[in-house]
Amino acid sequence: QQQVKQSPQSLIVQKGGISIINCAYENTAFDYFPWYQQFPGKGPALLIAIRPDVSEKKEGRFTISFNKSAKQFSLHIMDSQPGDSATYFCAASILNDKLIFGTGTRLQVFP
Amino acid sequence: DTEVTQTPKHLVMGMTNKKSLKCEQHMGHRAMYWYKQKAKKPPELMFVYSYEKLSINESVPSRFSPECPNSSLLNLHLHALQPEDSALYLCASSQDVGVHEQYFGPGTRLTVT
Repeated sequence: QQQVKQSPQSLIVQKGGISIINCAYENTAFDYFPWYQQFPGKGPALLIAIRPDVSEKKEGRFTISFNKSAKQFSLHIMDSQPGDSATYFCAASILNDKLIFGTGTRLQVFP
Repeated sequence: DTEVTQTPKHLVMGMTNKKSLKCEQHMGHRAMYWYKQKAKKPPELMFVYSYEKLSINESVPSRFSPECPNSSLLNLHLHALQPEDSALYLCASSQDVGVHEQYFGPGTRLTVT
């Protein structure tokens, strides 16, 4: 119940394309869903986050889509760039509790 | 400024050594965290400090000893580590344990020989 399942494990996208990463959860008590971006040898950086009272949140080229009934959320990267090549982690948490991370998706964007 | 700094960037230590990792933040955050990350895996929570007091210990072996000298500093003391403890050690902070946004430092790459 505390797991967050993330897919795909790896993703190859051409420059200018749309990258889509999906996550699913079981615990309906989760109330915060962030996405982290991590470059090799660096710490994860908070990219964008959403709460379950909102179905979509957009920040620049990054959009989170949230489906409460399906218990799924996804990250869409529009106009993907080579500089977006990184590992992306979804996560979920309950107020006053720890972050539960997904297993990660390695994104490669080719020119 | 959402910066968390960590020193050193890299550390190589033998199994009999004692070393410390340091973390610092100047964002006024009252919650600080230690995570361990193995290659191609997500971060795993080790410890949480809230208002300079240890609030969560995720059953971490005693060879890892955290310390929070003040609200801006977090240390992780290492002693008698095993080769399997080699990993990237990440520090993070948030405004409070009740506030979800956690900001991570760049990490310390630890190698135990």
